[in-house]
Amino acid sequence: EPEVTQTPSHQVTQMGQEVILRCVPISNHLYFYWYRQILGQKVEFLVSFYNNEISEKSEIFDDQFSVERPDGSNFTLKIRSTKLEDSAMYFCASSETSGYNEQFFGPGTRLTVL
Amino acid sequence: SQKIEQNSEALNIQEGKTATLTCNYTNYSPAYLQWYRQDPGRGPVFLLLIRENEKEKRKERLKVTFDTTLKQSLFHITASQPADSATYLCALALYTGRRALTFGSGTRLQVQP
Repeated sequence: EPEVTQTPSHQVTQMGQEVILRCVPISNHLYFYWYRQILGQKVEFLVSFYNNEISEKSEIFDDQFSVERPDGSNFTLKIRSTKLEDSAMYFCASSETSGYNEQFFGPGTRLTVL
Repeated sequence: SQKIEQNSEALNIQEGKTATLTCNYTNYSPAYLQWYRQDPGRGPVFLLLIRENEKEKRKERLKVTFDTTLKQSLFHITASQPADSATYLCALALYTGRRALTFGSGTRLQVQP
């Protein structure tokens, strides 16, 4: 069964460093998303991406964040200068264009900012 | 303000019983509502979607109801098993056409053998 994959599974970084989280969405899906979940809290929407551009973003997704689809399979989230409060699980998800938008989530990347 | 509330933080039931989880929302008129399962340290897994014009949806041992007047969805697991132990999340898009999901805080279900 097709699935969303994410790398790395765990990333440890120093405050102020840049990180890039990588995702490979399901191949025939055209909508891509990033969500995050701080330990013990809700899953929160960050950004959605369609047709090579951002279609929606939340207030969390400020200028420190960017997304890119560098090729036909990868979808990346970059955090330019990490802060302690960026420590969280980051989930990539994808969905088909049609239908009511059931989303398929990856296993997540645990980001720890020291 | 807009809210999605899942009434119980945790629910403990005996194997074989029916688990009923509640999701209430305010100030939204969602076109559909979704339920996901999340295991510790893992991503959410889609379970069921119910549209605003559907009262009830079933899939195997799962049943979802959606009452747009009460602004409430109920999620039932019948003949529960220890393997059903997980956190269950309700999620909805805030308005028609929006694809970003807003999640509730989840209910942690523990099924005792």
